[in-house]
Amino acid sequence: LAKTTQPISMDSYEGQEVNITCSHNNIATNDYITWYQQFPSQGPRFIIQGYKTKVTNEVASLFIPADRKSSTLSLPRVSLSDTAVYYCLVVRSGAGSYQLTFGKGTKLSVIP
Amino acid sequence: DSGVTQTPKHLITATGQRVTLRCSPRSGDLSVYWYQQSLDQGLQFLIQYYNGEERAKGNILERFSAQQFPDLHSELNLSSLELGDSALYFCASSVGDRSQETQYFGPGTRLLVL
Repeated sequence: LAKTTQPISMDSYEGQEVNITCSHNNIATNDYITWYQQFPSQGPRFIIQGYKTKVTNEVASLFIPADRKSSTLSLPRVSLSDTAVYYCLVVRSGAGSYQLTFGKGTKLSVIP
Repeated sequence: DSGVTQTPKHLITATGQRVTLRCSPRSGDLSVYWYQQSLDQGLQFLIQYYNGEERAKGNILERFSAQQFPDLHSELNLSSLELGDSALYFCASSVGDRSQETQYFGPGTRLLVL
């Protein structure tokens, strides 16, 4: 299993850019990196996914260095509604089995 | 709203009992995943079904079982319940069976074992 490590919590002021880094030292060649957001008592919601370099969508960017041993989720100009837990997920596929590993999650608190 | 529905929303039962959680995937999705989320263990993958067949197994206990029916809805059966089984159980679905596909999560079933 590809183990992930991310900060337990982060605080940010409204309007700032927030970067959350996830470490996945034993990532394998065919692994993808996915980030999910979860609000209390709700199911996780997909944010972004990448394999290498940079991926950007309407809500976030994902930076993955060449060695792929870490990844950084970037949230531009956060608002109070971005207060949530963010999970880094390394998705490994293989013949006949699919291993899904969630990190412990980073609790982001956005302060007015 | 993700399009994934789960019933019931809440379930309270006693130790030793058996319960069934139900999940209906998004229209068109063939894969269903089950997850357990507890305070001490975090979000853990239990099992995946694709088009009626078991595709992947995670940290699922032998007391737990699941199935996916021809209409693609899925049920998670939890038996001989213990206090430690109290948790949020989420179902997710995706279009295909490739693990890197986006998973859409339901609102969850909160299980309390007394």
